[in-house]
Amino acid sequence: EAQVTQNPRYLITVTGKKLTVTCSQNMNHEYMSWYRQDPGLGLRQIYYSMNVEVTDKGDVPEGYKVSRKEKRNFPLILESPSPNQTSLYFCASRALDSSYEQYFGPGTRLTVT
Amino acid sequence: AQSVTQLDSQVPVFEEAPVELRCNYSSSVSVYLFWYVQYPNQGLQLLLKYLSGSTLVKGINGFEAEFNKSQTSFHLRKPSVHISDTAEYFCAVTRNSGNTPLVFGKGTRLSVIA
Repeated sequence: EAQVTQNPRYLITVTGKKLTVTCSQNMNHEYMSWYRQDPGLGLRQIYYSMNVEVTDKGDVPEGYKVSRKEKRNFPLILESPSPNQTSLYFCASRALDSSYEQYFGPGTRLTVT
Repeated sequence: AQSVTQLDSQVPVFEEAPVELRCNYSSSVSVYLFWYVQYPNQGLQLLLKYLSGSTLVKGINGFEAEFNKSQTSFHLRKPSVHISDTAEYFCAVTRNSGNTPLVFGKGTRLSVIA
């Protein structure tokens, strides 16, 4: 089954404790992306990657890091989480073809206290 | 840069009534347009998309949308809604070249009332 998986699905942590949210896709997609979803703000892009070793900032990259060492994986790293990073995070992927169809993971709800 | 405005943050509607969710976009270049749906506690799922061709686009679950270039709109419609359509709906836009990222609107919460 074609899918994007994220782990963990729920995470409660404390300010300053480094964490990583993993994202993996099994569709051989070149493009992967991270979004955060906040009430009243919709989805805002954090980082995206057009292929292995190619990453770029989205609209709200501050406080986040990413890496793309393998095509299937695109982890999101919070080196020193703060309460304003409490949010619902989505990973997405798509092929760089004419379909433009983006597939989303189930989401990771992060709470930073 | 592209931007999207979803004109209604919440839309309550009775079951079997028609619904229209409004979306306007802003762009200086040609665009592709999308509607996504997010059911409670789930990720986003593509409902429909406009890339080219007919301006009336049909999607899954009986939804359709019409691309209106002169009014820069891409409103989503369904002639008769069901309880199961209760969800949040997002309009999104991207440039039609260069594989640029999707820009999302803030979402419209559709509540279908029995």
